[in-house]
Amino acid sequence: NAGVTQTPKFQVLKTGQSMTLQCAQDMNHEYMSWYRQDPGMGLRLIHYSVGAGITDQGEVPNGYNVSRSTTEDFPLRLLSAAPSQTSVYFCASSSPNNEQFFGPGTRLTVL
Amino acid sequence: DAKTTQPTSMDCAEGRAANLPCNHSTISGNEYVYWYRQIHSQGPQYIIHGLKNNETNEMASLIITEDRKSSTLILPHATLRDTAVYYCIAGGSNYKLTFGKGTLLTVNP
Repeated sequence: NAGVTQTPKFQVLKTGQSMTLQCAQDMNHEYMSWYRQDPGMGLRLIHYSVGAGITDQGEVPNGYNVSRSTTEDFPLRLLSAAPSQTSVYFCASSSPNNEQFFGPGTRLTVL
Repeated sequence: DAKTTQPTSMDCAEGRAANLPCNHSTISGNEYVYWYRQIHSQGPQYIIHGLKNNETNEMASLIITEDRKSSTLILPHATLRDTAVYYCIAGGSNYKLTFGKGTLLTVNP
C-alpha cells in the first residue's frame, strides 16, 4: 500500500493564480481531510469528507474548494491564491480504528 | 473538541522513559484522547488513542486518569529518533481533529 500520496511536493504560485493540490489514498477509507500548517503552529482543518459525494467545511475553509467524486481521491482547489495561503498542506485519511494517516505534505508559496 | 494543555517543550535522556503530560479538563464523555507526533516537517504520525482505559501498543502507553481530565503518554525507552513534536488531542471524530502547538520532545544522547 502506498498509503496517502500528495502531489506536488512543492509549488510556487503568483497571487491570483489557481491550482489543485492532489491527494489519493489506497486504503479504501471513507473519511478524508485537508489541513494546513503555518510555521510554528499546529494543523488547522480546511475541509473534510465522510464519503464520496459528501464534503464539509472545517475551521479555515475560505479560499478553498473540495470535491469527492471517488473514495480514493480528494483534491483541494485554490481558487485565487493569496500570500496568506502560503503554508504546508497535509491530506489525511482515517481508518475505522480511529487512526488518521497523513500524506507527506505540499509546501506552497504564494508570491 | 475539548481544549488541551501541554508543556511547550521537554527533554529526555536516550534510553530513559519519556512521560508527556496533557491536561484536558473539559473533555466530554464521548471524546477520545488521541496522540500524534510530527518529526521535522513530515506529516503527523498516529501513536495511540484511548477513551477511558489505559492503552498500550508497540510504540507507547497511554495512561488516562480516572476522572479523564488528564493523560500521560509514555515512551518506554526513548531514542534519538523519538525527537518530535507530540500532539495531544481530545475529540470525538478522528477525521476532524484540532491540533494545538504540542510538546517538543528532545531526546538527548
